[in-house]
Amino acid sequence: DAGVIQSPRHEVTEMGQEVTLRCKPISGHNSLFWYRQTMMRGLELLIYFNNNVPIDDSGMPEDRFSAKMPNASFSTLKIQPSEPRDSAVYFCASWYRGKRGYTFGSGTRLTVV
Amino acid sequence: DQQVKQNSPSLSVQEGRISILNCDYTNSMFDYFLWYKKYPAEGPTFLISISSIKDKNEDGRFTVFLNKSAKHLSLHIVPSQPGDSAVYFCAAIPQGGSEKLVFGKGTKLTVNP
Repeated sequence: DAGVIQSPRHEVTEMGQEVTLRCKPISGHNSLFWYRQTMMRGLELLIYFNNNVPIDDSGMPEDRFSAKMPNASFSTLKIQPSEPRDSAVYFCASWYRGKRGYTFGSGTRLTVV
Repeated sequence: DQQVKQNSPSLSVQEGRISILNCDYTNSMFDYFLWYKKYPAEGPTFLISISSIKDKNEDGRFTVFLNKSAKHLSLHIVPSQPGDSAVYFCAAIPQGGSEKLVFGKGTKLTVNP
């Protein structure tokens, strides 16, 4: 299994532009999570899906952030318009409930200038 | 409120010695506790877990201890190696079927040659 695949690995964009981050979870995992990692706040859960349905989006910081999961093998996190304070590493993770917890992707490092 | 706390943001150890990473939790409603390891530019990866009904779990150089009365768990690495230098996250799986793992903020371990 290729694991959780995120793209792009790095994204540099100008303030005000739209940014779309992509994630392909592990086949058979029915839960998908979007996290943001910053120095100040550590790993923050933004939103998670179960069986493609958004279950909890209470961590989404503002209306500028949106996420979709149109099918079991693909999810997107969109920021529109982007701001410099959105600069962080964004992780996607998937899970088929078990004692090993989540499997994380390698992350997307977003820089908004 | 933070349910899982890692109070030491960093730890430095000499190669060959023991590394002890600590984690405290504030309620007893967890099924499993996990440790993740994260290298720069990579996602966190599962390291070891322990059931809430156990006191100890060992896997090679890594041992996790759970003290339920103190609501404290620790990860011991013996002997420490330079390749163990990474950020270690403590996490907990809630009881009752919740899919939201609770993460600590991480401890950066540096093992000096």
